[in-house]
Amino acid sequence: GQNIDQPTEMTATEGAIVQINCTYQTSGFNGLFWYQQHAGEAPTFLSYNVLDGLEEKGRFSSFLSRSKGYSYLLLKELQMKDSASYLCAVLDSNYQLIWGAGTKLIIKP
Amino acid sequence: DTAVSQTPKYLVTQMGNDKSIKCEQNLGHDTMYWYKQDSKKFLKIMFSYNNKELIINETVPNRFSPKSPDKAHLNLHINSLELGDSAVYFCASSQGAGAVGELFFGEGSRLTVL
Repeated sequence: GQNIDQPTEMTATEGAIVQINCTYQTSGFNGLFWYQQHAGEAPTFLSYNVLDGLEEKGRFSSFLSRSKGYSYLLLKELQMKDSASYLCAVLDSNYQLIWGAGTKLIIKP
Repeated sequence: DTAVSQTPKYLVTQMGNDKSIKCEQNLGHDTMYWYKQDSKKFLKIMFSYNNKELIINETVPNRFSPKSPDKAHLNLHINSLELGDSAVYFCASSQGAGAVGELFFGEGSRLTVL
């Protein structure tokens, strides 16, 4: 079966750095997405990785290792507004998105 | 000037009733989706339409019937509502067939079945 694993919840301190991991087992791979979802709101796109390596976009970076079936989202200089759920999703060989359950990130002052 | 808009945002109804949720996107995208997000926060694809044609129909009860009058609209009708239908339903759109590109989500419609 297809599976996306990410931690259920993480806590970090304002101004610090946090890394949210995602491992996947899917039938084929056509890219990995990270979305941010604030409580009671819709998910919004953060990043897309299809090649191995690190993609940096401001305070957020996303890393992919296809051979390991692994990705992480790195958030730097954490702000209170970064408190949200972070969803990992993989596009499989049929171009269907397989979603993880999300990691709830709690930022403390 | 909302890109993907869905109505209503909140829906509270009794078991056995029939209800509809409407979705419209003004992004000119070819593909639209309905997702269900339950209390455990998993996003589950229900349906996907590309240019008004059904391309994904996951295992959902046939009480759920999507309708796409044109490529900018994808409505969801639910018959004989059950308690387990309580969830947040998200409409989304993307350019091109399949979720190859970024998905743009509506704000969600929170359905509560009593």
